[in-house]
Amino acid sequence: EPEVTQTPSHQVTQMGQEVILRCVPISNHLYFYWYRQILGQKVEFLVSFYNNEISEKSEIFDDQFSVERPDGSNFTLKIRSTKLEDSAMYFCASRDVASTDTQYFGPGTRLTVL
Amino acid sequence: GQSLEQPSEVTAVEGAIVQINCTYQTSGFYGLSWYQQHDGGAPTFLSYNALDGLEETGRFSSFLSRSDSYGYLLLQELQMKDSASYFCAVRGNAGNMLTFGGGTRLMVKP
Repeated sequence: EPEVTQTPSHQVTQMGQEVILRCVPISNHLYFYWYRQILGQKVEFLVSFYNNEISEKSEIFDDQFSVERPDGSNFTLKIRSTKLEDSAMYFCASRDVASTDTQYFGPGTRLTVL
Repeated sequence: GQSLEQPSEVTAVEGAIVQINCTYQTSGFYGLSWYQQHDGGAPTFLSYNALDGLEETGRFSSFLSRSDSYGYLLLQELQMKDSASYFCAVRGNAGNMLTFGGGTRLMVKP
């Protein structure tokens, strides 16, 4: 069964450093998402991406964040200058055109900012 | 804005039936979804209701009442592997954003 993959599984970085989290969505999906989940808390929407542009973003997704689809398979989330409070699990998700409300989540990248 | 309320924790025994409730306040409503998340794992889609009524998928069923802004997830014939967190999520507009509830941690005991 096709699945969303994410790399790395765990990223440790120093405060102020840039990080890039990578995702490979399911191949025939056209809608892509990033969510984050601070330990023990709920999943929070960050951004959605369709047709090579951001379609929606939350208040969390400020100027420090950016997304990109650099080629036909990867979808990345960049955090320009990490803060301690960016420490969280970051999930990528994707969906196909027909399944409006079924999003498939990747295994997540645990980001630890020291 | 959007807010969803669900109990933080539920405990039940193997073989029993458990209901996890979710109430929501949203500025728009396009549907209520349920996701399961095991510790350290990714959320996995379980069920979705756009219209009032019951949707059944095997041992899991989900119910929605739009007039009451309320839904629930019903898990029957509980198994130990059902121990996980369960999140309700709302799509409040025609876009893509899902707003999640705080999650209900289900513990299934022998």
